[in-house]
Amino acid sequence: SQTIHQWPATLVQPVGSPLSLECTVEGTSNPNLYWYRQAAGRGLQLLFYSVGIGQISSEVPQNLSASRPQDRQFILSSKKLLLSDSGFYLCAWRSPGLTYEQYFGPGTRLTVT
Amino acid sequence: GQNIDQPTEMTATEGAIVQINCTYQTSGFNGLFWYQQHAGEAPTFLSYNVLDGLEEKGRFSSFLSRSKGYSYLLLKELQMKDSASYLCAVRDSGGYQKVTFGIGTKLQVIP
Repeated sequence: SQTIHQWPATLVQPVGSPLSLECTVEGTSNPNLYWYRQAAGRGLQLLFYSVGIGQISSEVPQNLSASRPQDRQFILSSKKLLLSDSGFYLCAWRSPGLTYEQYFGPGTRLTVT
Repeated sequence: GQNIDQPTEMTATEGAIVQINCTYQTSGFNGLFWYQQHAGEAPTFLSYNVLDGLEEKGRFSSFLSRSKGYSYLLLKELQMKDSASYLCAVRDSGGYQKVTFGIGTKLQVIP
């Protein structure tokens, strides 16, 4: 069966510090991968998606970046965090076959202070 | 783009039936999802509708009318554990098939 991992689970970082969140998927090959952010009182906002190694598409201009160094690894980064980067970061995967639902990892709760 | 509307909050009684509505305006449509999200947790997939009509899955059913841009999630025999947010999401018809999520409906089940 497929499993998706995210770490860390919670993170408190000062403004201006760097960020690296990691997501890995097990039990599937060539998944579509997604990074979402959920701010308090707001819906899920798609940040990045990837259909393959090294292939990243950005949905929202911001100070975040994403990379996919391996087929089942997706990394979200920032060089300098802003207060507005606080939120619940969720990684999701989808099989590129005939199913369309996305499956989410446990999430990382980021607080920028 | 996509615009999705859902009620912000609802309250229902344990054992009752509740219907959560979702309306959408889209530039392209290729299906609609419902997800459940308990507080502090990740969303979990409930249902996917691409054709008009009702899809039943245990205590949960989901309905879609593409001509009206309307869907609802029906929860029967409510249990306390059903207290959660319910997210409506629309899949785009473009090549990438992006999914846009609504803000969610927070359902509180009371005894």
